[in-house]
Amino acid sequence: GAVVSQHPSRVICKSGTSVKIECRSLDFQATTMFWYRQFPKKSLMLMATSNEGSKATYEQGVEKDKFLINHASLTLSTLTVTSAHPEDSSFYICSADTGGSYNEQFFGPGTRLTVL
Amino acid sequence: AQSVTQLDSQVPVFEEAPVELRCNYSSSVSVYLFWYVQYPNQGLQLLLKYLSGSTLVESINGFEAEFNKSQTSFHLRKPSVHISDTAEYFCAVRYPNTGNQFYFGTGTSLTVIP
Repeated sequence: GAVVSQHPSRVICKSGTSVKIECRSLDFQATTMFWYRQFPKKSLMLMATSNEGSKATYEQGVEKDKFLINHASLTLSTLTVTSAHPEDSSFYICSADTGGSYNEQFFGPGTRLTVL
Repeated sequence: AQSVTQLDSQVPVFEEAPVELRCNYSSSVSVYLFWYVQYPNQGLQLLLKYLSGSTLVESINGFEAEFNKSQTSFHLRKPSVHISDTAEYFCAVRYPNTGNQFYFGTGTSLTVIP
């Protein structure tokens, strides 16, 4: 299947700093990428839908100025957590849409963010 | 609202015993159904999917799921589990006529006991 990578896999930062997480589709072009947040022992919560070359669409309750998404190319989307606080600590997962009739999504391995 | 229900949050089962993880979705319109597995501190891996055709789908590691339209269910089964099957399992549904968004269940934690 298609491969999606995320970098970094883990990041620890101080409160107030910004953190950028990259999501790449390695062997296919993804016109659409999705960003999810997963709390411990909870399901995935869709944060936003990222479309190449246009503004991301955020789900209700997600602060767009807090979680900046840039989908600069067909293989790269970035999520920047601005002025991170301890409550932003979480597991962030991206997925990429392969397009086509069935629009299957492939998921990245996730990024564990810990804000001290 | 569209939703996916996984009735069991935790399922302990002895090694080599059969297991069923339940999944129900809210709508009976055209759907695509997926099961994903997540190992600790890892992302989601696709286990199997139903898009069309045969209602019984199988994975390479012995899991299978059956799409039941009348019961709006997509339960996951395995006749004999292994220790390595211990993981979190998520059911997901996508409605092809309403965009690309996936709706995930809350997950079922499968623990295989030696």
